[in-house]
Amino acid sequence: AQSVTQLDSQVPVFEEAPVELRCNYSSSVSVYLFWYVQYPNQGLQLLLKYLSGSTLVESINGFEAEFNKSQTSFHLRKPSVHISDTAEYFCAVTSQEPGRRALTFGSGTRLQVQP
Amino acid sequence: GAGVSQSPRYKVAKRGQDVALRCDPISGHVSLFWYQQALGQGPEFLTYFQNEAQLDKSGLPSDRFFAERPEGSVSTLKIQRTQQEDSAVYLCASSLSAGGSGTQYFGPGTRLTVL
Repeated sequence: AQSVTQLDSQVPVFEEAPVELRCNYSSSVSVYLFWYVQYPNQGLQLLLKYLSGSTLVESINGFEAEFNKSQTSFHLRKPSVHISDTAEYFCAVTSQEPGRRALTFGSGTRLQVQP
Repeated sequence: GAGVSQSPRYKVAKRGQDVALRCDPISGHVSLFWYQQALGQGPEFLTYFQNEAQLDKSGLPSDRFFAERPEGSVSTLKIQRTQQEDSAVYLCASSLSAGGSGTQYFGPGTRLTVL
């Protein structure tokens, strides 16, 4: 079984400031890692994912996340946020075992970008 | 359509009523998932289909919950004798592949309120 912890339920930040959303996971097997974003009144969308290879993964809108196996973390960062980044962000994992497809989500972090 | 669609978007039921929630996945997607998202929480896995086969139903909270995907495309989640604790957003997701690394694409959800 896996579990995901997002310690920060809300993160207020000013526009153009950097931000880090923290994600830690627990698993007895190897996992794939994901960040999903939910904009107001919209469905969940994949932001980025780590499957293998380089531990640093990037999204098309400037976010990046780094897989740290020793610390079992997958923190999400952006060097300069925009008002449009205001949303709820969910970290999720799934087992690499064949047949195990369920995503396990954290409780989410609400990013509030202020002008 | 281009994405996963769900209907109805909103459902109000009296305690004890049966409800049926529909999911239309992206055409050609092999895998289909149902999740339950309580207010202020991350989604929690309910069940998973690969084509018409229900491969994992470990997340269904009770025998009042039943899901089917008889022809390997559209899926229905049925809740019998609804109770107030069933109030939540029910999310459907589909994925092109059967492997765990495949991206899950989410629908907008059905918000169920049980009075």
